[in-house]
Amino acid sequence: NAGVTQTPKFQVLKTGQSMTLQCAQDMNHEYMSWYRQDPGMGLRLIHYSVGAGITDQGEVPNGYNVSRSTTEDFPLRLLSAAPSQTSVYFCASSYSQSNTGELFFGEGSRLTVL
Amino acid sequence: AQSVTQLGSHVSVSEGALVLLRCNYSSSVPPYLFWYVQYPNQGLQLLLKYTSAATLVKGINGFEAEFKKSETSFHLTKPSAHMSDAAEYFCAVSENDMRFGAGTRLTVKP
Repeated sequence: NAGVTQTPKFQVLKTGQSMTLQCAQDMNHEYMSWYRQDPGMGLRLIHYSVGAGITDQGEVPNGYNVSRSTTEDFPLRLLSAAPSQTSVYFCASSYSQSNTGELFFGEGSRLTVL
Repeated sequence: AQSVTQLGSHVSVSEGALVLLRCNYSSSVPPYLFWYVQYPNQGLQLLLKYTSAATLVKGINGFEAEFKKSETSFHLTKPSAHMSDAAEYFCAVSENDMRFGAGTRLTVKP
């Protein structure tokens, strides 16, 4: 029972490099989202999607792109990494499009930008 | 936009003592409220949620929370702390998307 799977778990980038954080869920959830977690700031929403082909911005979308071509996958792209993007990133999904249901989280991806 | 404020970034209790973690919310519509727990190096797990049914909500591991509209609060309690409760706890409020508080780290002393 995989749930929400994130890869990679750890990544070190140099400033200006690009990369994609992968997220896949096998629960047939319509709603998926990306958060970043920073000390003392809790989790902040980056982008979310209520279904395939639909994405929207959260609180802190700048510097990140997303797409949702399938129900299962919701990758997060950093086009030109900056040290301010050093963080732990969590992908989460929910069965409820209105997000009134429980969020199921992946184990996180720790990104360091030098 | 909706938001939550968690009072106290760090709470320390003795094993067997009452646990009280405070959360106040702001929402323009009747809110859906949640408490999540995060153990080290893991993602968040749902403890309990309020969705406008009973104001006292019971969750897993003996935790419960009471929704008080007049105080815009949703505090989390547990009558008797256990060592295994040591973790970080997040309050969250949901309208179109879910917004989290800054978190409260709970330490349980033997």
